[in-house]
Amino acid sequence: DTAVSQTPKYLVTQMGNDKSIKCEQNLGHDTMYWYKQDSKKFLKIMFSYNNKELIINETVPNRFSPKSPDKAHLNLHINSLELGDSAVYFCASSQAAGPEAFFGQGTRLTVV
Amino acid sequence: AQSVTQLGSHVSVSEGALVLLRCNYSSSVPPYLFWYVQYPNQGLQLLLKYTSAATLVKGINDFEAEFKKSETSFHLTKPSAHMSDAAEYFCAVTETGTGNQFYFGTGTSLTVIP
Repeated sequence: DTAVSQTPKYLVTQMGNDKSIKCEQNLGHDTMYWYKQDSKKFLKIMFSYNNKELIINETVPNRFSPKSPDKAHLNLHINSLELGDSAVYFCASSQAAGPEAFFGQGTRLTVV
Repeated sequence: AQSVTQLGSHVSVSEGALVLLRCNYSSSVPPYLFWYVQYPNQGLQLLLKYTSAATLVKGINDFEAEFKKSETSFHLTKPSAHMSDAAEYFCAVTETGTGNQFYFGTGTSLTVIP
């Protein structure tokens, strides 16, 4: 059983479009994250949710909007996509009591 | 503020040789430290973690790391490299009370030469 699953795995879209990436975890964790990995493999946190409440919101363009309908899901919606948004986006989850995070397989977003 | 520095963005070793990947951290409070591995086109997989128990931590696939507070280091080692160890390795730090925000190093790409 996949612990943290993201869909889609690949996403190719044109500039200006709006797209969403979905994430679900079946680990019972109460904290979920979105990370962005750039072309140099650098990982940077974008958002963190705890029990559906936003707790970390790094300096990210407001075109990016996370939505957490319940604590097992954290979706990422991106408006007006730009070339610079091309990256791999990782969803992750963790439990407050156990500090390690579990990552999804990533979504490779390519904006053309 | 927390940060992680990984020395050496690329490391090459011969098959069967010792693997040593370096990580130094900065943290104002006792940290939790992690090593993750990323195989091509895959997500990040936890190799091992330090959470203030034993300073020598053993992980999967014979990897281990030693927490040295005096050196603020958490270097990753493996006695004998296998071809299958070729991957990107990330060191990460977090502290309790920060929503478990993870700060990652810039990664070290390990190449294993047959």
